[in-house]
Amino acid sequence: GQNIDQPTEMTATEGAIVQINCTYQTSGFNGLFWYQQHAGEAPTFLSYNVLDGLEEKGRFSSFLSRSKGYSYLLLKELQMKDSASYLCAVYYGGATNKLIFGTGTLLAVQP
Amino acid sequence: GAGVSQSPSNKVTEKGKDVELRCDPISGHTALYWYRQSLGQGLEFLIYFQGNSAPDKSGLPSDRFSAERTGGSVSTLTIQRTQQEDSAVYLCASSTGTSGGETQYFGPGTRLLVL
Repeated sequence: GQNIDQPTEMTATEGAIVQINCTYQTSGFNGLFWYQQHAGEAPTFLSYNVLDGLEEKGRFSSFLSRSKGYSYLLLKELQMKDSASYLCAVYYGGATNKLIFGTGTLLAVQP
Repeated sequence: GAGVSQSPSNKVTEKGKDVELRCDPISGHTALYWYRQSLGQGLEFLIYFQGNSAPDKSGLPSDRFSAERTGGSVSTLTIQRTQQEDSAVYLCASSTGTSGGETQYFGPGTRLLVL
């Protein structure tokens, strides 16, 4: 199957660090995306991991471990504007070229 | 440049009616995707167009759903005989389609409510 699981909701404090996990039960995919989606808006690209390891991009980092079947998104120095849903998506290239999304994690950043 | 645009932004219809949702991808993007996002759910893949190739329709939930892409640009998603469970946000995305793993850019979505 392609079960992609994320925690439904998380709460964190402004200025803190939060890790959002994504576990999946699939193989043979090209890479894994993370998108951010504010309420009522379109998802926007955050990161794309092809190789195992950590990809750092400013306050946001993303990690992938294919052997362990999981990824995480790490958000540092949280700001109120980081309150949003974070979507993990497995990417299948080739003829399909489609994204299979998890259900998303709604992050609430509190002062 | 302009991003992906979708119309209408919101659509309220009665059960049993047909609806058409439009997507204008980013100029030059050859790949176009439709997704559906129901309340509290993740994005569900519906259909994928790449250039002149036959579309990947594997995600369409029933034969009431169809989509076409004219001239390799604008796409229309049609839902016939709408049902209440079709109520969702329908998102369109496009990408360059030139290589694997390129970023998909999403439009703002059409919020469909079937009464």
